Amino acid sequence: SQQGEEDPQALSIQEGENATMNCSYKTSINNLQWYRQNSGRGLVHLILIRSNEREKHSGRLRVTLDTSKKSSSLLITASRAADTASYFCATDASNTGKLIFGQGTTLQVKP
Amino acid sequence: ETGVTQSPTHLIKTRGQQVTLRCSSQSGHNTVSWYQQALGQGPQFIFQYYREEENGRGNFPPRFSGLQFPNYSSELNVNALELDDSALYLCASSSQAGGLGETQYFGPGTRLLVL
Repeated sequence: SQQGEEDPQALSIQEGENATMNCSYKTSINNLQWYRQNSGRGLVHLILIRSNEREKHSGRLRVTLDTSKKSSSLLITASRAADTASYFCATDASNTGKLIFGQGTTLQVKP
Repeated sequence: ETGVTQSPTHLIKTRGQQVTLRCSSQSGHNTVSWYQQALGQGPQFIFQYYREEENGRGNFPPRFSGLQFPNYSSELNVNALELDDSALYLCASSSQAGGLGETQYFGPGTRLLVL
């Protein structure tokens, strides 16, 4: 079963714009992770945020976590065509790497 | 590249057959998790192996089974294949340091088609 829902399901923007994806989940978590997947290939880990953290940055990525609302957001700033991919949030309730993924957001960045 | 490899890359089977998928974990990693990703969906956790023992299982029937070897590579076996087993199968490795939340390193996946 899927833990969370991601919003929007699909997003299309122009190169240079910012992209924001949201993730909501249902149960308590230990950490939340964001992954990228290109064309049905393997997942690439982007960022991990722990339940006691509220915001984290990595390059052009900014992730927020609101445990009271059971939600997270991923912001990609100054998007590039190479950012075109599917993005998934995944929660880890027990800190053991048994991840529960959302349905994903498909991002298209037009050059 | 994550250092996690999977074989084969693609596979076609018929309903009722059995399949074995293989995964070599990243060097130094002792934990392997397997996921099933149906088309257009997020990955679903099948099970995890830690130091050769099953360490948790998702909502999958017993015909999905696995092994982990002393070198921490792993196999996923699926018996009595059904059409709905058609999916991308992903393995992920990590090093269970305990209590710190570990990044999962995913392989490229094996795409299974059941006819």
